[in-house]
Amino acid sequence: DTEVTQTPKHLVMGMTNKKSLKCEQHMGHRAMYWYKQKAKKPPELMFVYSYEKLSINESVPSRFSPECPNSSLLNLHLHALQPEDSALYLCASSQVWGEPGYTFGSGTRLTVV
Amino acid sequence: KNEVEQSPQNLTAQEGEFITINCSYSVGISALHWLQQHPGGGIVSLFMLSSGKKKHGRLIATINIQEKHSSLHITASHPRDSAVYICAVPPSGGGADGLTFGKGTHLIIQP
Repeated sequence: DTEVTQTPKHLVMGMTNKKSLKCEQHMGHRAMYWYKQKAKKPPELMFVYSYEKLSINESVPSRFSPECPNSSLLNLHLHALQPEDSALYLCASSQVWGEPGYTFGSGTRLTVV
Repeated sequence: KNEVEQSPQNLTAQEGEFITINCSYSVGISALHWLQQHPGGGIVSLFMLSSGKKKHGRLIATINIQEKHSSLHITASHPRDSAVYICAVPPSGGGADGLTFGKGTHLIIQP
């Protein structure tokens, strides 16, 4: 299995809702990433998990809460989002050391209304 | 932190033309990624290369580590090649960190 699977593919949520994005990989990668991408811009790093521990938080607002329950799963919990949080949320995975290959998921298109 | 420059930012060409997209970076790296993103779509990894040249179908990627420069070529371009092409580099010291992305090249191939 050489894929990163993200669900759902599309999500519309109200500003008072709580929702979660899910990311799964079975390549044995021990680093997993959340990126946010606005239209016509490159992805921006949000969080990095290394060996299931949060290693990088790029000053992301607390309304985004990441979770890495095991080495294959990465979640992003969303609460009280703003319309400007509407974006494509991308998950990626890689080895921590050694082979520098990254694998991206196809993303979740989030719309906050 | 590595600085990644891509050119051109926008490119419109006719079907069948040979396309070249360039990428340069400021700090030595172990590998460089070429990524493709269709409008409204996710990111697909086209190549990861650390030296020389790789070919996949009509796509060719080259890298010159000494000059800190890479190129992506598309031969016999087709309208379905229309997408944003992004070069990206991992952290120069290794470890788990985000990629540094170029700003992307928006390619349109007209029939």
